[in-house]
Amino acid sequence: AQSVTQLDSHVSVSEGTPVLLRCNYSSSYSPSLFWYVQHPNKGLQLLLKYTSAATLVKGINGFEAEFKKSETSFHLTKPSAHMSDAAEYFCVVSSYSSASKIIFGSGTRLSIRP
Amino acid sequence: EAGVTQFPSHSVIEKGQTVTLRCDPISGHDNLYWYRRVMGKEIKFLLHFVKESKQDESGMPNNRFLAERTGGTYSTLKVQPAELEDSGVYFCASSPYMQEGETQYFGPGTRLLVL
Repeated sequence: AQSVTQLDSHVSVSEGTPVLLRCNYSSSYSPSLFWYVQHPNKGLQLLLKYTSAATLVKGINGFEAEFKKSETSFHLTKPSAHMSDAAEYFCVVSSYSSASKIIFGSGTRLSIRP
Repeated sequence: EAGVTQFPSHSVIEKGQTVTLRCDPISGHDNLYWYRRVMGKEIKFLLHFVKESKQDESGMPNNRFLAERTGGTYSTLKVQPAELEDSGVYFCASSPYMQEGETQYFGPGTRLLVL
């Protein structure tokens, strides 16, 4: 069965410093992977997705993620954090058993220090 | 283009009462999904409609939950009777196609509190 593990429940960085949110996946095949973001009292917004094309995926707001099959990882990065990046981030994997299902990680809350 | 909308945004009810949540998908999206996040847990899949038909309802927790999508447009999710453990955020999502890797577009969620 597919699963995702977000290694940090909370990450705090200073404004202007790099962001790294870690995600490892488990899958018996090459899955599709997504990062979603939820700002306070807002819906889930797609940041980026990987679907077996380029392993380095660029998303919105300067975020990118790299699919590393050998490490079963899909970490989310941003070179320079902005105050508006404070939110909860979810790593998501598609389900092989059902095209309709996606499976969420537990979420990482990102805080930005001024 | 309007996104996925959900109503109400918040609901506070007492144990044993009934609550109905509504989701309006993006126009033209045949696929509609319900998810929920209970306190401190992951966001979990509940069910998936293709037009008015239930494609997959394997995530529905029990028979107190009833989802409908009459006419293949908006959907409702009724909880009757509500229990304390039903508290959480209920998300709706939609997509135009049903295929692996398809992006699902999410609504803002309904925050349900059962007292």
